[in-house]
Amino acid sequence: AQSVSQHNHHVILSEAASLELGCNYSYGGTVNLFWYVQYPGQHLQLLLKYFSGDPLVKGIKGFEAEFIKSKFSFNLRKPSVQWSDTAEYFCAVISQNFVFGPGTRLSVLP
Amino acid sequence: NAGVTQTPKFRVLKTGQSMTLLCAQDMNHEYMYWYRQDPGMGLRLIHYSVGEGTTAKGEVPDGYNVSRLKKQNFLLGLESAAPSQTSVYFCASSFGPRDTQYFGPGTRLTVL
Repeated sequence: AQSVSQHNHHVILSEAASLELGCNYSYGGTVNLFWYVQYPGQHLQLLLKYFSGDPLVKGIKGFEAEFIKSKFSFNLRKPSVQWSDTAEYFCAVISQNFVFGPGTRLSVLP
Repeated sequence: NAGVTQTPKFRVLKTGQSMTLLCAQDMNHEYMYWYRQDPGMGLRLIHYSVGEGTTAKGEVPDGYNVSRLKKQNFLLGLESAAPSQTSVYFCASSFGPRDTQYFGPGTRLTVL
């Protein structure tokens, strides 16, 4: 069965630190990949997505993600985090079904 | 353009009670979904619909029923609520099966 794993359950960073959140999936066929963000008390919002083309995808708020097909990975990065990036981040993969990872909680200390 | 809306926002039920959650979207999307979100487990798909009048089971369908009588609405029903159904429920919609899903604000349900 298709599955999505996220490497870290909770990440704590200071402002201006660099961020990388890992995401790996199990399906070997054609996939569409997404990162969603959920700010405290809010619903999920799309950060970025990859369907095809350039494997380096840029999203909103300075986030980017790189699709590495050989590693079945779609890691999320940001060069310098802000306190307002405190949120939960979900990786999602769709091939036959839409499957979400368990989420990574990011806490940014001011 | 409201996107995806959900009612109610909060609800407390006693074990055995029933209720219906309503999801509405104004984007003319064919696909609609119900998820539950539990700590450490991400989002799990309960049921989904690929168009008006159709429904299908997701990963965790037991104890829930759904209906899609109108394209813009997707209802989630709990016939006999159990404490294990305490969760946050999110509705989502998309144009196609592989497209971006747009989420509603969620319903926090507590079953005592």
